[in-house]
Order: sequence, then structure tokens, then C-alpha cells
Amino acid sequence: DAKTTQPPSMDCAEGRAANLPCNHSTISGNEYVYWYRQIHSQGPQYIIHGLKNNETNEMASLIITEDRKSSTLILPHATLRDTAVYYCIVRPPPGDKIIFGKGTRLHILP
Amino acid sequence: GAVVSQHPSRVICKSGTSVKIECRSLDFQATTMFWYRQFPKQSLMLMATSNEGSKATYEQGVEKDKFLINHASLTLSTLTVTSAHPEDSSFYICSASSGQIQNSPLHFGNGTRLTVT
Repeated sequence: DAKTTQPPSMDCAEGRAANLPCNHSTISGNEYVYWYRQIHSQGPQYIIHGLKNNETNEMASLIITEDRKSSTLILPHATLRDTAVYYCIVRPPPGDKIIFGKGTRLHILP
Repeated sequence: GAVVSQHPSRVICKSGTSVKIECRSLDFQATTMFWYRQFPKQSLMLMATSNEGSKATYEQGVEKDKFLINHASLTLSTLTVTSAHPEDSSFYICSASSGQIQNSPLHFGNGTRLTVT
């Protein structure tokens, strides 16, 4: 079973920040939080990952709560091309299987 | 960045035939590769985990004799759907990890759309 829960869908106005939440209350101390997105009929695209500290790259920011039981992916200025299904996953120890939850379908509204 | 190439991107085959899907890591060595399948509007479902040079580990409910996985080198894994039937029609996706540490992103191929007629 997936170790993450996400809202099934969200809407965001174009140009605004999209904040996608993820709960991972059973995460272990050495497990990373990863975010991917999947545009229709393509493979998942890596966005960002983190362990404890907040992270930022050219695509997004990742905010992880102090207790690490939840995180938020922030797309600072959403565009129509950000319409996709966003998956939050907990990365298990190397070699262990990686299970996807149902993700959040993000709709960017023009 | 690291790239995983999956081929073919789309295949149509007749019922009863076999189809091979290739997954290659182009600029890194992948000790572990994962194979997923995805039905419309659903999430990725893990089929099997393969480690280079050893037998794949299949998830419960996935027939190992039907979905043959070979991971003969650090850059190539193949999935063969044997005696395909229409219910095998799906989107198949492979992924590969460049390291044995958790601080290493998992990279995905662009998927193979299999249609069995």
C-alpha cells in the first residue's frame, strides 16, 4: 500500500501559486519524500525531493513539516502546461519497491 | 540529466503473439529497474522489481510466466508480454535508479502503449 495520501484533484488559476499537499504520517526517519508529475500518456517526470529541509529548484519548492508527516509542493507561477497528475511518494530503502498512490489531478484554469 | 529510454512507444499486436518492451538507462548504470502498468485514469501499479543479474521479484497477482523480465546488463531491462490477450492492453512504464541510495531520483521511461486486438 502507498504510504501517502493526496487530494484527488485541485484547481489553480494560471499565474497563481499551486500548493499541493501530501500526508505521509508513517514515514520513517531515513525515507525521502519525492514528487513526480505525469502528463497524459507520458512517463512520470521527476520534480523535486527532500528529507527534512525545505528544497527549491527551477521547477518547484518543497516544504516538509518539522515532524515530517506531511509536505507541500509549491509551483510558484502555474501555467497551463502544469496541468498533470502529481504524485508524492516516500522513497523506501534501496531495492525496496516504490508504490504510487493515486496522486492529485491538478487543473490550471486560464 | 539522467535519461531512461523505453521502446517502442506504441505497439499493436494480435491476440496470442508476444511483445517485447525495452528499457535502457542512457547515461547511468541502473542496478534496479521497476516495471509498472497503468490503466486509464488510474495510478501506476507496480508489476515487478528487477535487479541486474538476478531474477525479478513479482508483485502478488502478476504472472511471472506471462510477463517475462530480463535484466541482463546494468543499462538494459526487457519486459516480454507472452501470448498477449486484449486484457493485457495497457500503458507499461519502466523506471531505473542510478544509485543504491535514497537520495537518488528514480527516472522513468516515457511508457509503451500496448494494444492487443
